[in-house]
This record gives sequence, structure tokens and C-alpha cells, in this order.
Amino acid sequence: GAVVSQHPSWVICKSGTSVKIECRSLDFQATTMFWYRQFPKQSLMLMATSNEGSKATYEQGVEKDKFLINHASLTLSTLTVTSAHPEDSSFYICSARRDTDTQYFGPGTRLTVL
Amino acid sequence: GEDVEQSLFLSVREGDSSVINCTYTDSSSTYLYWYKQEPGAGLQLLTYIFSNMDMKQDQRLTVLLNKKDKHLSLRIADTQTGDSAIYFCAESIGGSYIPTFGRGTSLIVHP
Repeated sequence: GAVVSQHPSWVICKSGTSVKIECRSLDFQATTMFWYRQFPKQSLMLMATSNEGSKATYEQGVEKDKFLINHASLTLSTLTVTSAHPEDSSFYICSARRDTDTQYFGPGTRLTVL
Repeated sequence: GEDVEQSLFLSVREGDSSVINCTYTDSSSTYLYWYKQEPGAGLQLLTYIFSNMDMKQDQRLTVLLNKKDKHLSLRIADTQTGDSAIYFCAESIGGSYIPTFGRGTSLIVHP
């Protein structure tokens, strides 16, 4: 089956620093990657959709300057949380899709901002 | 109200059947999905059903869709402790294939 990895699996950082999270499709080429945010006991909220080689499309209410997304290749997308603050602490999950195939989800990254 | 709603908790005894229910609001949903999330992990697609189907069975899993009532259910037969997880119902609309998720139902299986 299709495998999606995320790195790191958890990260703790100080307020004001930036954190980069990587999402990789290991055995397929992902034309589209998605970034979600999940709060405790809440649903997954789609943050942005990115297609390889083009700018990401952000959902309403998501600050594009705060959450920088780069999809430089068909197997790698990165999410950078810039100037992180405690309210950015969350579980970030990526997913990858080839064409209109189903989405395959990564294991998630737990971000804690002190 | 939310687009996709599901109850937050379900507790069952090992060996019994579990039924997790979900309602959605958009009648133009094309696909409906069930995902499983184990603690600290991402989502695993369990099964999905196309909106013109009424039922889909895959081993211990049975999905029932009542399109008129916009109601989706997931039945897990012979529930095991390894089935304990959060189960998310989701829908996608049109050709987007981008699911909108419910808040998830925590399934607790006890001996």
C-alpha cells in the first residue's frame, strides 16, 4: 500500500522560533498533498492543499504567511510554522494523493510550543 | 451545525458488534468514508462507499448508507480490543475527493 511519512513525529520549540515539518510519499508520486490540523477531541481541519510546483491553496482563516507550505517535488511537501506561539501547538497531519486516488495519511507531528 | 456529525463515544464488549453512526448535510456528497485513528497516529482509510450504493461489506466491516436520511453507519462484527480507536466519518463532494471530517467517535472495547 501507499506509505506517507512525516518528520519529526514530535517537536517542542520555544515561542518565536520556526518549525519545519516534512511530509514524504515513500512509494508513489503525489501530485497533491494536504495539510491538516487536529485539536484534541476535534476533527481534522484542512489547512491547505498543495500541488507540486505551484503555490499552495489555503483554506479560509489560515494565515499563509504563518504556515508556509512548499511542495518542491512529487514526493516531498514541507510545512513551516513561522514565529510559533503556544496557540499553534497542535497535531499536524499531512496526506498525499496521486491524481484522484484516495488520500494516504501520514502518522502526524505533535507540535508543542512553550 | 457541522457538516458531518457523529456521536463522540461508544463502548462495547469484546466479541459484540459495534455500530458507529454518522449524519451529513450535503446531499451532493459523492463519496463517504470511514477512517480509523489509533492513539498518536495518522488516519487509516478503512472503507468508503460511493453515494449511489446502499451497502458495502469488507470482511468484518459493513457500511450502510441511507441517502434519503443522509445517514451513514459502520458496523464492526466481532469487535476486538485492537479495534479500539477513533473512527472518523467523512464526505467528499463532487470531483474534489477532499474529505470533510466529522469529530470522530471514540470506540472503547472492553473485555
